[in-house]
Amino acid sequence: GGIITQTPKFLIGQEGQKLTLKCQQNFNHDTMYWYRQDSGKGLRLIYYSITENDLQKGDLSEGYDASREKKSSFSLTVTSAQKNEMAVFLCASSMRGAHYAEQFFGPGTRLTVL
Amino acid sequence: GEQVEQRPPHLSVREGDSAVIICTYTDPNSYYFFWYKQEPGAGLQLLMKVFSSTEINEGQGFTVLLNKKDKQLSLNLTAAHPGDSAVYFCAADTNAYKVIFGKGTHLHVLP
Repeated sequence: GGIITQTPKFLIGQEGQKLTLKCQQNFNHDTMYWYRQDSGKGLRLIYYSITENDLQKGDLSEGYDASREKKSSFSLTVTSAQKNEMAVFLCASSMRGAHYAEQFFGPGTRLTVL
Repeated sequence: GEQVEQRPPHLSVREGDSAVIICTYTDPNSYYFFWYKQEPGAGLQLLMKVFSSTEINEGQGFTVLLNKKDKQLSLNLTAAHPGDSAVYFCAADTNAYKVIFGKGTHLHVLP
């Protein structure tokens, strides 16, 4: 078994601020993902990474940067937080591509922008 | 690209009743399908992975049906109990590495 850890659990920022969310997995999975979850909109893919130092844009990458410096970690940066933005950011990993393997999810980081 | 429509968005049932959630996908080439459960404050947990070669899959207290002709995937909780209250998501594979998620169904099981 393994676990995905996301930090922080709650993140409160100011408008225009640059904010970083972190994700660690000990599954030794190759692929990692960042999703944004808004109420009523399901999960939308922001970035994913097939392997260390790889980055692929998802459908919602504008306004975000990502970094995969190690196989076990994947970080997401909100480049300029928007006022009234509130969402949960979910990190996930899978053994190979999601095409073949299920994704394992972390508990999420809840973002509030004041 | 692939789209996945999930319904209903909200569902309330009494304990012991069945609950059915349906997803309709558009890409006829989708081969892998997933059902996830999300409890409050937690990430998504896999309920079942379904391959298009198998039409009926049974889990603990639920059945997943895949209708390839109509491109529909359904989750049927046969005798719901309060512990089943959660948000349920379906997902379908697209190209390699990506899946598309439905918008989720909030299920409430009333005692």
